[in-house]
Amino acid sequence: SYELTQPPSVSVSPGQTARITCSGDALPKQYAYWYQQKPGQAPVLVIYKDSERPSGIPERFSGSSSGTTVTLTISGVQAEDEADYYCQSADSSGTYGVFGGGTKLTVL
Amino acid sequence: QVQLQESGPGLVKPSETLSLTCTVSGGSISSYYWSWIRQPPGKGLEWIGYIYYSGSTNYNPSLKSRVTISVDTSKNQFSLKLSSVTAADTAVYYCARGTKTSPYPLSYWGQGTLVTVSS
Repeated sequence: SYELTQPPSVSVSPGQTARITCSGDALPKQYAYWYQQKPGQAPVLVIYKDSERPSGIPERFSGSSSGTTVTLTISGVQAEDEADYYCQSADSSGTYGVFGGGTKLTVL
Repeated sequence: QVQLQESGPGLVKPSETLSLTCTVSGGSISSYYWSWIRQPPGKGLEWIGYIYYSGSTNYNPSLKSRVTISVDTSKNQFSLKLSSVTAADTAVYYCARGTKTSPYPLSYWGQGTLVTVSS
């Protein structure tokens, strides 16, 4: 079955830049999406179609794509950005959805 | 503003069928894709499947033999049935909305409901 691979954890100090990667063989063909999930809450979409930002999401959140890897970048990290982040995409045929294993962002 | 609300039993016995309903308010269920996602306690998100308002579906291959997703446009609801459940199916179950042309992104989510499988 198709898998997306994320690092389990990323740590940054406030004001620094956090980069969270997601790798998958079908990413050159399928869009990636990023969700933020805080404890006890439902996920929230922060990036869609690799690099588009929904309305209401701060400009410090951005996304990029290169080959089989997509990256979520959070510039000027704030304490409130501490959360789990999940990438999501589809298999090469676009039939089946898949989530990455999630990355816990810790703001030191 | 579209809102989604999951409902159903919080406790299901092993080997029985888990049944959940997602009620959509603030907008019509028509013309959109609708999904179910689950999250075991302390673990990551797992895509279960989606349904288009017209009734076409796609399911996670690992769950396909046990999953049925249906839609009732007259009630603005869609539902999940998962048969032959085991403790491994214990999770928070979320419903979510896609777009008019694609199951993704999942822009609107319900708050989630915890379903525990236990005798």
